[in-house]
Amino acid sequence: KQEVTQIPAALSVPEGENLVLNCSFTDSAIYNLQWFRQDPGKGLTSLLLIQSSQREQTSGRLNASLDKSSGRSTLYIAASQPGDSATYLCAVTGSGGSYIPTFGRGTSLIVHP
Amino acid sequence: DTGVSQNPRHKITKRGQNVTFRCDPISEHNRLYWYRQTLGQGPEFLTYFQNEAQLEKSRLLSDRFSAERPKGSFSTLEIQRTEQGDSAMYLCAILDQGTEAFFGQGTRLTVV
Repeated sequence: KQEVTQIPAALSVPEGENLVLNCSFTDSAIYNLQWFRQDPGKGLTSLLLIQSSQREQTSGRLNASLDKSSGRSTLYIAASQPGDSATYLCAVTGSGGSYIPTFGRGTSLIVHP
Repeated sequence: DTGVSQNPRHKITKRGQNVTFRCDPISEHNRLYWYRQTLGQGPEFLTYFQNEAQLEKSRLLSDRFSAERPKGSFSTLEIQRTEQGDSAMYLCAILDQGTEAFFGQGTRLTVV
């Protein structure tokens, strides 16, 4: 059974800092890995999708990397802003055919001015 | 616009009542998933459909829960005889051809 762990569970930083959020998973037989953002009381917004054959994806100030063999992914946020405050969730989809994303518990990020 | 509409957004119900949630993908997608999320946790898989066929159910989906996807378009999730432990956010997701998952805004259920 796939297990996904996200570290740290919570993070509070001043505006302008560069951040690294970590995601690890136990079964390396994955189809892809996806990072989401969730604002309080809202649904999930897709940030980046990395296919198993890829090493990284970039969107604006966000960069996600994937090391499938070691079961790790990192989400790098450059020059953080208060608007980045949210919970960031990592989801891993296995390659077994059912394509069911398995989530970590998320990292709760607060960026203060 | 996530491509998935969920209704209602909020539902407050008394313990023992039945509730039904609806998920409407804006466009056709083969796969539709239901998740449950409690406070401080990540979403937990409940069930998924490929077209109108329900292919997998989590053990979290007790016999009080039933989901349908008639005609392979919208889906409903019904909870019978609600309990306080059912209070959670219920999320619907679709996968596009690249298997990127898109989620709706969720239905927040509060059982009092």
